Amino acid sequence: KAGVTQTPRYLIKTRGQQVTLSCSPISGHRSVSWYQQTPGQGLQFLFEYFSETQRNKGNFPGRFSGRQFSNSRSEMNVSTLELGDSALYLCASSLVSPPGTQYFGPGTRLLVL
Amino acid sequence: GNSVTQMEGPVTLSEEAFLTINCTYTATGYPSLFWYVQYPGEGLQLLLKATKADDKGSNKGFEATYRKETTSFHLEKGSVQVSDSAVYFCALSSRDQGGSEKLVFGKGTKLTVNP
Repeated sequence: KAGVTQTPRYLIKTRGQQVTLSCSPISGHRSVSWYQQTPGQGLQFLFEYFSETQRNKGNFPGRFSGRQFSNSRSEMNVSTLELGDSALYLCASSLVSPPGTQYFGPGTRLLVL
Repeated sequence: GNSVTQMEGPVTLSEEAFLTINCTYTATGYPSLFWYVQYPGEGLQLLLKATKADDKGSNKGFEATYRKETTSFHLEKGSVQVSDSAVYFCALSSRDQGGSEKLVFGKGTKLTVNP
């Protein structure tokens, strides 16, 4: 099976712009989660989607949003970018039943100038 | 809330040395425990996991045992190789009432293995 794919792999934006990142889960995985990785804060949970519904959300401002499509693909959006949003954004997918293991994509590295 | 504490790095070893990376956790209920590895410029790869107390996860010579009494999940390998150089993350997963699971990670331990 193909793994989790994320596009684009690298992105450079300027403050105030918005950005959309895409994630395609492993075939058959219906749960998609997003994480932010920074040197200072480490790996932090952003949100989780299942059946096109957000089931869980981490402690991030409303500028961070996401959605999931009927084919389980997911996108996340960050509006009004700030310098501190520079990070590696990781997507992970998992089976719902049986539960548990999350498999990660290669990430999208976002640099905000 | 749930949390994971792992030993600070960096850790530098010679090839064929013994590796231990300590990990302890705080959680309500009975979480699943994981070790993930991240190579430079890449995402996270699952290394091993354990889903209940006394389970031992193992893969590629790495092992970790889920110790409920000490709330620990230490990673060990008997003989490291240069190719094991990477950042290692301990994590726990817990499921909420709505069925959603999220991972809580430690801060990571950078391992460098010299020839």
